[in-house]
Amino acid sequence: EDQVTQSPEALRLQEGESSSLNCSYTVSGLRGLFWYRQDPGKGPEFLFTLYSAGEEKEKERLKATLTKKESFLHITAPKPEDSATYLCAVQAWATGTASKLTFGTGTRLQVTL
Amino acid sequence: DSGVTQTPKHLITATGQRVTLRCSPRSGDLSVYWYQQSLDQGLQFLIQYYNGEERAKGNILERFSAQQFPDLHSELNLSSLELGDSALYFCASSVAGTSGTDTQYFGPGTRLTVL
Repeated sequence: EDQVTQSPEALRLQEGESSSLNCSYTVSGLRGLFWYRQDPGKGPEFLFTLYSAGEEKEKERLKATLTKKESFLHITAPKPEDSATYLCAVQAWATGTASKLTFGTGTRLQVTL
Repeated sequence: DSGVTQTPKHLITATGQRVTLRCSPRSGDLSVYWYQQSLDQGLQFLIQYYNGEERAKGNILERFSAQQFPDLHSELNLSSLELGDSALYFCASSVAGTSGTDTQYFGPGTRLTVL
């Protein structure tokens, strides 16, 4: 069974204080690892897809990396508007067009002035 | 805006009742997924439809059912509601091809409260 574990559960940073969020996973044949951002009461917003170990993707202050067992979301010089819950999910190769996501429980990030 | 729409935004109902949640996928997407998000469980996959046919099932209760119509919109029916069914219900859509990754885009969700 596919599993995703995210740490820490919650993280409080001051504006400009860089840090990393961790996502450890086990999956039977990785089709893709996804990062989403979710604001309270809203739907998850797609950030990145990573396909294979060694891959990196960047978007503004966020950078996602992938190894064979985990992924990191690095946040450089965060701003208060980066405050949200960050979700990691894995997608396994399956028969035909079945492609569910298995999510971790997320990291709640709060960035203060 | 992801392009996925869900109605209604909020539903308040009583135990034992039945409700229907509606989802319209992004233009061009053939696959629709339903997820449940409760405070203690995170996002849990319920069911996937592809071009009108059921493709995968998660831990969906027998009291819950779904379908995808010829115009590709989907409905999730929840019956004999219990207090524990209170949650956010999200719909996502994707192209769902058989090669490469398959990015899912989520709608804004329906918040269900069972009293």
